[in-house]
Amino acid sequence: ETVLTQSPGTLSLSPGERATLSCRASQSVGRSYLAWYQQKPGQAPRLLIYGASSRATGIPDRFSGSGSGTDFTLTISRLEPEDFAVYYCQQYDTSPYTFGGGTKVEIK
Amino acid sequence: QVQLVQSGAAVKKPGSSVKVSCKTSGGDFSSYGLSWVRQAPGEGLEWMGGIIPIVDSTEYAQKFQDRITITADEPSSTSIMELRSLRSDDTAVYYCARGIAVADEGVLHVWGQGTMVTVSS
Repeated sequence: ETVLTQSPGTLSLSPGERATLSCRASQSVGRSYLAWYQQKPGQAPRLLIYGASSRATGIPDRFSGSGSGTDFTLTISRLEPEDFAVYYCQQYDTSPYTFGGGTKVEIK
Repeated sequence: QVQLVQSGAAVKKPGSSVKVSCKTSGGDFSSYGLSWVRQAPGEGLEWMGGIIPIVDSTEYAQKFQDRITITADEPSSTSIMELRSLRSDDTAVYYCARGIAVADEGVLHVWGQGTMVTVSS
């Protein structure tokens, strides 16, 4: 099973700042089959990025993904008030499709 | 616009079973993979398994292999996840989620609203 480790656990930033979230895999994620999701309290997760760098429909271009192999990054270029949430990475290269433990982006 | 609508909350006794349903509307049901993901209170997301209805192919996480069954009924566009031998640590919100494309069942694009399952004596 591929274990995904996200860091940091919590990121305290102000609106307008840049957020950089990391996801490291215990083994190489083939075909860059890595996705990112956003989740707000009481809501289902929302797909942001798939294939490591492709934005899902309707996702603002301030969200970008990069990386390959075992190291992946989600960047939010300028935080908007609605971006404060928990973010999860997920690999879908090999079953089981594991998730990282999440990074909470909170208002500083 | 595709929507997934899940069944309502359930309270179960330890050792019993639960069935959670997920109905697809507004789009093709059979060709797209559907996964089940759970989230314990205050915890992260956990993929449990999935199904591709058109080929009736299922895959389960090893952790749940012995006590989970996922089925799909094409005429009603409904998937059902059954979890047996419930324990208190199965208390969680259970989500169904549809793959973004026919060949990308692991990219979870459309999610149900979630079903709270509480296991308590």
